Amino acid sequence: DAGVTQSPTHLIKTRGQQVTLRCSPKSGHDTVSWYQQALGQGPQFIFQYYEEEERQRGNFPDRFSGHQFPNYSSELNVNALLLGDSALYLCASSSLGSGADTQYFGPGTRLTVL
Amino acid sequence: AQSVTQPDIHITVSEGASLELRCNYSYGATPYLFWYVQSPGQGLQLLLKYFSGDTLVQGIKGFEAEFKRSQSSFNLRKPSVHWSDAAEYFCAVALGGARQLTFGSGTQLTVLP
Repeated sequence: DAGVTQSPTHLIKTRGQQVTLRCSPKSGHDTVSWYQQALGQGPQFIFQYYEEEERQRGNFPDRFSGHQFPNYSSELNVNALLLGDSALYLCASSSLGSGADTQYFGPGTRLTVL
Repeated sequence: AQSVTQPDIHITVSEGASLELRCNYSYGATPYLFWYVQSPGQGLQLLLKYFSGDTLVQGIKGFEAEFKRSQSSFNLRKPSVHWSDAAEYFCAVALGGARQLTFGSGTQLTVLP
């Protein structure tokens, strides 16, 4: 049973560029949440997708957007990259539809903005 | 606003010694409580969780945690630490199990041989 997978593993971009990160949830899960973890800090919630809609959002600017596909996989898009966007981006999956109560995390995508 | 505090940024223990990592939360109601562990460059692995019931919960790798409502605490313990336990530990809370997690800033654990 595959767990949560994320791609790519590492990514290097320059300021002003746009980036797309991808996440496939654990089998049987229908909900995807995205977190940003800056170096030396705890993860911060960006947003959560369920039934292809954003249902919760943290304190992040509109430059951060996402999408969920019918197969429950998800993308995180960041426009107009800033140096401060350099971080580990974590995807977590869970199942709101079945009431499963725990989020399981993927290995993350390390984004470096130069 | 909700918050999670992990007062200890870094803890060093000798292998075989006992361990306690502290976590305090500030929430309007009793939240769902979690402990996750993160090895360098890796994602987060769930150690244990508390939703309701018995306030002492058992997790993987020999860890346990105790919920104390009066102290708004959820401290993580292990009776005998192994070198492989060296990692960063995060306490997290949520209003519902699958809802957004609010994390503490983490405690880095070093294990001496």
